[in-house]
Amino acid sequence: AQSVTQLGSHVSVSEGALVLLRCNYSSSVPPYLFWYVQYPNQGLQLLLKYTTGATLVKGINGFEAEFKKSETSFHLTKPSAHMSDAAEYFCAVSEEQGAQKLVFGQGTRLTINP
Amino acid sequence: DGGITQSPKYLFRKEGQNVTLSCEQNLNHDAMYWYRQDPGQGLRLIYYSQIVNDFQKGDIAEGYSVSREKKESFPLTVTSAQKNPTAFYLCASSRTVRTGELFFGEGSRLTVL
Repeated sequence: AQSVTQLGSHVSVSEGALVLLRCNYSSSVPPYLFWYVQYPNQGLQLLLKYTTGATLVKGINGFEAEFKKSETSFHLTKPSAHMSDAAEYFCAVSEEQGAQKLVFGQGTRLTINP
Repeated sequence: DGGITQSPKYLFRKEGQNVTLSCEQNLNHDAMYWYRQDPGQGLRLIYYSQIVNDFQKGDIAEGYSVSREKKESFPLTVTSAQKNPTAFYLCASSRTVRTGELFFGEGSRLTVL
């Protein structure tokens, strides 16, 4: 069965520093991978997704993620953190092309220090 | 602007009462979903609907019911059978059920007193 593990429920970085949010998954087939962002008391918004093709995926707000099959990872990065990046981030995986099979990680709360 | 509207944003319920959460979308999406979010547990799927007059149970359907009489609407009823209903509920839609990208509403926070 597919599963998602986000390493670190809380991550804190300084403004301007590199953001790295870790996501590892288990899947018996090539997965579909997603990162979503949730601002306080709001719904989730898609940051980026990997389906097929290029393993480095660029998303909105300067975020990107790299699919590494050998490491079963899909870590999210941003070169320079901004105060507005403070939010909760969710990694999600699906073995099928369908949202009803999507499995979400437990989330990582990102705090940005001035 | 197209989007998903959930109401109410906050809801308080006494034990033993059923409550219905509203979800309306004007994105012309076929598929709609209800998720439950608890701190530190991510999102869990309650029910989903691929098309009007059709819906399927998700991972945690017990104590919940839904209907899909119109394409735009997918209300969720939290029944008295749900043992721990206090949570943040999120409605989402996708163009079709085979499309992985979800569009979310802003959520409804239910508190049982």
